[in-house]
Amino acid sequence: DSGVTQTPKHLITATGQRVTLRCSPRSGDLSVYWYQQSLDQGLQFLIHYYNGEERAKGNILERFSAQQFPDLHSELNLSSLELGDSALYFCASSVEGLAATARYNEQFFGPGTRLTVL
Amino acid sequence: AQTVTQSQPEMSVQEAETVTLSCTYDTSESDYYLFWYKQPPSRQMILVIRQEAYKQQNATENRFSVNFQKAAKSFSLKISDSQLGDAAMYFCAYRSQSGGSNYKLTFGKGTLLTVNP
Repeated sequence: DSGVTQTPKHLITATGQRVTLRCSPRSGDLSVYWYQQSLDQGLQFLIHYYNGEERAKGNILERFSAQQFPDLHSELNLSSLELGDSALYFCASSVEGLAATARYNEQFFGPGTRLTVL
Repeated sequence: AQTVTQSQPEMSVQEAETVTLSCTYDTSESDYYLFWYKQPPSRQMILVIRQEAYKQQNATENRFSVNFQKAAKSFSLKISDSQLGDAAMYFCAYRSQSGGSNYKLTFGKGTLLTVNP
């Protein structure tokens, strides 16, 4: 158990719909990263939040957005869903300490949310 | 942009034998980290081993060790005394250390390891 929780575990929805995926980071971790794992694209970085602020965007579609709330949990919102959005969505949390060592910056992954768009 | 290449989509090994998974990467940076992650059928991402680029010594974690060749931009994973529980998808990942405050991981496509009894 990494200490990172994601809900729901599975989500089945229809094209055109909107869903929200939730991530609770490990206690004390200020950073949340979202990744998408799909058969054709592999594991891709979507977006990074640090202490409530967006820090970087990766290959994230405009139909997707995210937030990190004051309690540090994060939500990934996916709208106008398409068949190709079916994937496993991971969040990972880490402590971004001042010391530049992997010990402080290791990313701990949640169990993922399996999204199926029909 | 950094890229990570895993040229072996699938590998197999006999139980108790040794197997090496390959990974190459492309970067213009000198300060970075490399990782191997394991993803078993449960889909959980598990960190297996990490290597800091400024360290010449290869990292080891019990039965897992790496061969880090910085000049060649190569980072292979050796699994000794393979066990049935090692069967999983293995991902090589790169993380810049000079990305400001964004330490995103860039992953390879993965190598599916099968362990035969």
